[in-house]
Amino acid sequence: GQQLNQSPQSMFIQEGEDVSMNCTSSSIFNTWLWYKQDPGEGPVLLIALYKAGELTSNGRLTAQFGITRKDSFLNISASIPSDVGIYFCAGPSSGSARQLTFGSGTQLTVLP
Amino acid sequence: GAGVSQSPRYKVAKRGQDVALRCDPISGHVSLFWYQQALGQGPEFLTYFQNEAQLDKSGLPSDRFFAERPEGSVSTLKIQRTQQEDSAVYLCASSARGRAEQFFGPGTRLTVL
Repeated sequence: GQQLNQSPQSMFIQEGEDVSMNCTSSSIFNTWLWYKQDPGEGPVLLIALYKAGELTSNGRLTAQFGITRKDSFLNISASIPSDVGIYFCAGPSSGSARQLTFGSGTQLTVLP
Repeated sequence: GAGVSQSPRYKVAKRGQDVALRCDPISGHVSLFWYQQALGQGPEFLTYFQNEAQLDKSGLPSDRFFAERPEGSVSTLKIQRTQQEDSAVYLCASSARGRAEQFFGPGTRLTVL
């Protein structure tokens, strides 16, 4: 089945620094989604990307849909303590259910 | 409601007990998904409904897992004769017709002792 490789697995950064994480796949995705999950909560949708090459921002977050359709990255600028959490990339499967395949997540820790 | 809700938020069961987990999707969302999330992992697909029809149950790990959505709104995931390996967070998500974005509930954390 489809798999998403997400890196890095974890990051420790100083408050105010910029962060970059990425996701790659062996197969093509037509949509890329980025979620953030806080402890004890469900994933919250941050950004959705629909076209190859698309660059989309949501506040301090910027995500890009790779032109090969096999990768995507998420940047967070000027990190703040509430950015702490697990970030997941996800894409809908090619099957009829369109269930999401998730990456393994990037655990972000922001140090004061 | 404004978002996806799930109940209970936490469930502790003794091995062998049956459990039922409830999901209330966003009003008007025709698609409903159940996922299982193990500690330190991303969510993994269990089953999918379009309205009341269960169109894909390929992710259900065994015949002890059963899901229903009889009126095309609220859904229940039932696990019979729970085992310790069933311990996980069970997430429900819904999406609008034709949309890839899925919106998740807070999850039910199931612990089987």
